[in-house]
Formats: sequence, C-alpha cells, structure tokens
Amino acid sequence: GQSLEQPSEVTAVEGAIVQINCTYQTSGFYGLSWYQQHDGGAPTFLSYNALDGLEETGRFSSFLSRSDSYGYLLLQELQMKDSASYFCAAISSGSARQLTFGSGTQLTVLP
Amino acid sequence: NAGVTQTPKFRVLKTGQSMTLLCAQDMNHEYMYWYRQDPGMGLRLIHYSVGEGTTAKGEVPDGYNVSRLKKQNFLLGLESAAPSQTSVYFCASVGSGGAFGEQFFGPGTRLTVL
Repeated sequence: GQSLEQPSEVTAVEGAIVQINCTYQTSGFYGLSWYQQHDGGAPTFLSYNALDGLEETGRFSSFLSRSDSYGYLLLQELQMKDSASYFCAAISSGSARQLTFGSGTQLTVLP
Repeated sequence: NAGVTQTPKFRVLKTGQSMTLLCAQDMNHEYMYWYRQDPGMGLRLIHYSVGEGTTAKGEVPDGYNVSRLKKQNFLLGLESAAPSQTSVYFCASVGSGGAFGEQFFGPGTRLTVL
C-alpha cells in the first residue's frame, strides 16, 4: 500500500513563493503527481515527476527525490486564484496507473 | 468534446435504497476510475477499469459494484445505501498514450444518504 503526508494548511501573500511538501511511503511507486482542486470543483492535473529532479510548468514546478521519498510543489508569483487545495498523489507502477492521494493542503493567498 | 461527464450531479437517498452513478467520457480513454472524497480528505479509489469489460477493486470497494460494458461508460452502483456512503463521487479517465500521472476528472456527484 501507499501513504502520503502533506501539511493541512499553508498561507502566503500575493506575489510570494510557496512550497508544499509531500512525503510518501509506498510499494510499487512509479512517480508523484500534483493536482489542484478549488472548492466544489473537480481535481485538475498540474504536474508529475517520474524521475528525480525538477519539472517546471509555467508558475508551477514540482520536485521529486526518490532516495528521500519526498517531493514538493512550488508555486511562484502567487495570485488570489491560486487559493485552493493541492494534492500529491503517488502513481502506481502497475499497468492500471492507479493514484493514491494525500489528504491535501489548503492554500490561502492573502492580498 | 465534453470530456468526462457524470450523472446525476446531486442525489439524496434513504438508507437501504439503491442507485447507479453514470460516468461517460468522449476521449476514447482506456482507463477509468471511481473515487470518493469525504470532507477535508483526499480522494480514495473505489473501483477501476483498464478496458471495456474489465473491472477491479480499489482501496475502498465494499458496498459498491461497477460495470464497463462500453468503453466510454463506467457505472458505479450502490446496492443498499448507508449513511457512511455520503460523499462526493468523482470519475476520472486517461488514455493509454497519456502521461502516466495525469487523470481527467468529471465534475462530481454529491450524494447524501439519510
């Protein structure tokens, strides 16, 4: 099985940079994905890492260290619309590509 | 393309009633998944399918059944609803050529069991 831990809440101001950490304990681990979910909405895919290192997608970057069982999502130039829940999800190495989600981090961006 | 759609959007059931949730996708995706999300928690996998005619159990399958008779549809059934099944249910899909960690989610079905 797999379990993931991430902080429950993070607060930052508009224009700042924030990092959301995720540690995992897994078997059959392929990689780590990140999803954003606004209140009442569906999760939307942000990024994933199958290899160690940093992946950059616009204002969002994601990092993975397999040796430390650790990853993070970095959000730069924060905007009010970034206020949402962010989930890390472990990708199974099996053929079904299952995801196991963390409990989520509620990001609040203040003006 | 409509993407992933879910029917119904909201439903209230009494304990012991049954219902079926429908997920449909128009992206020709092979893989489809049903999750539940309880307040303040992440998504938990109920059942999944890797292709038409195939289904498998996820992390929390008890009390649910599924069917994938057509590639574009994935049905989730509650045989005898219980208050513990009050939740938001999300369907997701991904194609075999898609990025490994990316799933496309429907808008969700909000189910209350009284």
